[in-house]
Amino acid sequence: DAGVIQSPRHEVTEMGQEVTLRCKPISGHDYLFWYRQTMMRGLELLIYFNNNVPIDDSGMPEDRFSAKMPNASFSTLKIQPSEPRDSAVYFCASSLGGRGGDQPQHFGDGTRLSIL
Amino acid sequence: TQLLEQSPQFLSIQEGENLTVYCNSSSVFSSLQWYRQEPGEGPVLLVTVVTGGEVKKLKRLTFQFGDARKDSSLHITAAQTGDTGLYLCAGGGGNAGGTSYGKLTFGQGTILTVHP
Repeated sequence: DAGVIQSPRHEVTEMGQEVTLRCKPISGHDYLFWYRQTMMRGLELLIYFNNNVPIDDSGMPEDRFSAKMPNASFSTLKIQPSEPRDSAVYFCASSLGGRGGDQPQHFGDGTRLSIL
Repeated sequence: TQLLEQSPQFLSIQEGENLTVYCNSSSVFSSLQWYRQEPGEGPVLLVTVVTGGEVKKLKRLTFQFGDARKDSSLHITAAQTGDTGLYLCAGGGGNAGGTSYGKLTFGQGTILTVHP
């Protein structure tokens, strides 16, 4: 079975540009998570969805960040305008509900984002 | 806010040595998951423990969940170079309908380097 698929794997762009990260969760999973990972702050939860509905976006750093999940098989994380401090590895993960947070999360391989 | 503190942050040992990584919190979790992450990849689940006092073994890895479900440990016996990586603990839980339901709280991680 295909795992969580993220694209692009690498993105290098200049400050001020719009960046869109994409994620395809595992088919049948009803939770989708967006994380950001840096050496300084570790793995931070940005936002998560249940059945395509955003549940908790308290981790989104500021209004420049937005996330959507138009259907069960696709989600985007957008940064506009991007800044150098947004440079990080962004992960998407999905899980199957039931016992909620007790379920394992399946991660994609991440998007390494560099803002110059 | 639930927090998980992992220690040590860095661990550098020789092949064949034993080691223990700790994960502590003041909060109670319904489950505790351990993940391992290799460079360029997303975290991969190693084990989930759900019962206070539970001990699970995965070959040379032993995982324990504290009796009060606030802490956990990972013990590796006779470490091998292939054990090198970032180890993350994550606490799950929350009541259905609550804002924490469905999500995990991750520790900062332990970077383990095993030298030949």
